[in-house]
Amino acid sequence: GENVEQHPSTLSVQEGDSAVIKCTYSDSASNYFPWYKQELGKGPQLIIDIRSNVGEKKDQRIAVTLNKTAKHFSLHITETQPEDSAVYFCAASKGSSNTGKLIFGQGTTLQVKP
Amino acid sequence: GAVVSQHPSWVICKSGTSVKIECRSLDFQATTMFWYRQFPKQSLMLMATSNEGSKATYEQGVEKDKFLINHASLTLSTLTVTSAHPEDSSFYICSALGSSQGPDTQYFGPGTRLTVL
Repeated sequence: GENVEQHPSTLSVQEGDSAVIKCTYSDSASNYFPWYKQELGKGPQLIIDIRSNVGEKKDQRIAVTLNKTAKHFSLHITETQPEDSAVYFCAASKGSSNTGKLIFGQGTTLQVKP
Repeated sequence: GAVVSQHPSWVICKSGTSVKIECRSLDFQATTMFWYRQFPKQSLMLMATSNEGSKATYEQGVEKDKFLINHASLTLSTLTVTSAHPEDSSFYICSALGSSQGPDTQYFGPGTRLTVL
């Protein structure tokens, strides 16, 4: 079945530095790739997503890149701030025209040190 | 927009009792909702897919008679944990699919912390 691998499992950066989280998916039929931020005791919050017909998407300090050939996608956070500290999950889906199910990566705990 | 609520946010119950958790899409209609459980420091594990007006589809290894799902309207799905035991203690999260921001986008509720004594 579909599998999503996420690295690293933990990431510690200084405030102001950039953070990069990488994911690899196995099912070439996947066409939708969201990223979620989860704070302790809360539900995941969608922060950015990308579809397979796009190679890169940016929203202020957050960007996502997608390499369909290599089946890789990455989250880039620039100018990190302490409030960016959380667990980040990548996911892959074959879209709502299929089942709409998300396959999640294992998560990355990001710590931004002031 | 795209707000999903859950109730209750936390619940403590005795072993052997049943607990119902509600998931509502507040500002959009969701033909499909999903139920997940999450253990500490782990990823989200999909339990079942809930489609309005039809039976839920359960993931392999999830007991459908223990985790009853009802999706009676386009804005409400419920998960009932029947005859709860301590090993059912977990963080249960729902998500709703389909909003004006894209049919593929899942928006998650805030989660329900279940503790079974």
